[in-house]
Amino acid sequence: AQSVTQPDIHITVSEGASLELRCNYSYGATPYLFWYVQSPGQGLQLLLKYFSGDTLVQGIKGFEAEFKRSQSSFNLRKPSVHWSDAAEYFCAVGATDSWGKFQFGAGTQVVVTP
Amino acid sequence: GAGVSQSPSNKVTEKGKDVELRCDPISGHTALYWYRQSLGQGLEFLIYFQGNSAPDKSGLPSDRFSAERTGGSVSTLTIQRTQQEDSAVYLCASSEVYGYTFGSGTRLTVV
Repeated sequence: AQSVTQPDIHITVSEGASLELRCNYSYGATPYLFWYVQSPGQGLQLLLKYFSGDTLVQGIKGFEAEFKRSQSSFNLRKPSVHWSDAAEYFCAVGATDSWGKFQFGAGTQVVVTP
Repeated sequence: GAGVSQSPSNKVTEKGKDVELRCDPISGHTALYWYRQSLGQGLEFLIYFQGNSAPDKSGLPSDRFSAERTGGSVSTLTIQRTQQEDSAVYLCASSEVYGYTFGSGTRLTVV
């Protein structure tokens, strides 16, 4: 079974600074990997996904993530954070051998300061 | 529809009452998922449908919880004899290929 760890529960970053959110997964094969964002009172929005191919994935809102098989990681990055990026971010992993459930990390809360 | 629609958006119910939560997935999406998000918690998988069948019900917390899907479309999650610990946001997602599209959720409060 797959699992996901987001080591950082809470991150505070200044507006304009860079942001990196960590995600480590456990899965026996190459998984499907996702990052979602949830703004207060909202549902989850897909930022980007990795299935195969280029390990650097571009997403919406200026986000990118890099799949590193050797480190079992899929970290999310943004070069310059905007106040509107304040939200909770979830990493998720899906098994490649079935449609079944995705495993979500516990989430990282991002606070953006002026 | 254009997105995943969930109703109601908010539901307050008395302990012991039954509630029904509805999910209307994106048209043509064959897979449908229910998750629960409790305060300060991550997303907890409840059940997954492929078409009208549920290959994986492993996440349903107790026999008070049930779900069905009809016509390969709308799904209803039913919670019987609600308890205070059932208070959470219930999220529905649908998928055609990998990558869920989530609805905005139903916030359930049991008082």
